[in-house]
Amino acid sequence: ETGVTQSPTHLIKTRGQQVTLRCSSQSGHNTVSWYQQALGQGPQFIFQYYREEENGRGNFPPRFSGLQFPNYSSELNVNALELDDSALYLCATLGQGIKTQYFGPGTRLLVL
Amino acid sequence: LAKTTQPISMDSYEGQEVNITCSHNNIATNDYITWYQQFPSQGPRFIIQGYKTKVTNEVASLFIPADRKSSTLSLPRVSLSDTAVYYCLVGPSNAGGTSYGKLTFGQGTILTVHP
Repeated sequence: ETGVTQSPTHLIKTRGQQVTLRCSSQSGHNTVSWYQQALGQGPQFIFQYYREEENGRGNFPPRFSGLQFPNYSSELNVNALELDDSALYLCATLGQGIKTQYFGPGTRLLVL
Repeated sequence: LAKTTQPISMDSYEGQEVNITCSHNNIATNDYITWYQQFPSQGPRFIIQGYKTKVTNEVASLFIPADRKSSTLSLPRVSLSDTAVYYCLVGPSNAGGTSYGKLTFGQGTILTVHP
């Protein structure tokens, strides 16, 4: 049990729509990262938020955006959905006192 | 970030020891080596982390030679529930805690444990 929760667990959207995924952590750590994991691949880093500011981004277009709130919960927003956006979306927070990350269970997004 | 290379898949049997080796020839001085385990439709789970020599916890051991260009994750006496994908990651950690939030995953090693 990592204490990181994500919602919803599953989601089906159609091409062109917009989606918002949510993440929260019991520990309330001030750093959260988001990853996209396509089927059969390792997770790919999307971006990281630190104290409500974006702190690094991977190779993802601007239609992937995020927010981090004062209570350290976070959102991932994806606009103009494409079929290739179908994936498992993971958020992760840093472990307390350990140089690692704790991942949530993910949100499975299917774009039709 | 240092690139890692690990076997695509491995097979083992219950009760055996499994060793998964990861190559990271371009590891930097301030890089740590971290292993994660992932079950289908779940987030990766931290297994173990090390910088040099040997690290052991209740789940696994991590062996790192002096040149740090490779590392070996050792799982003692595996069971069916150890069937999963195992990822080796190499990246920096610092006191500020922000740069090591950007992990680079490879494709991982699919470990299948047979009865």
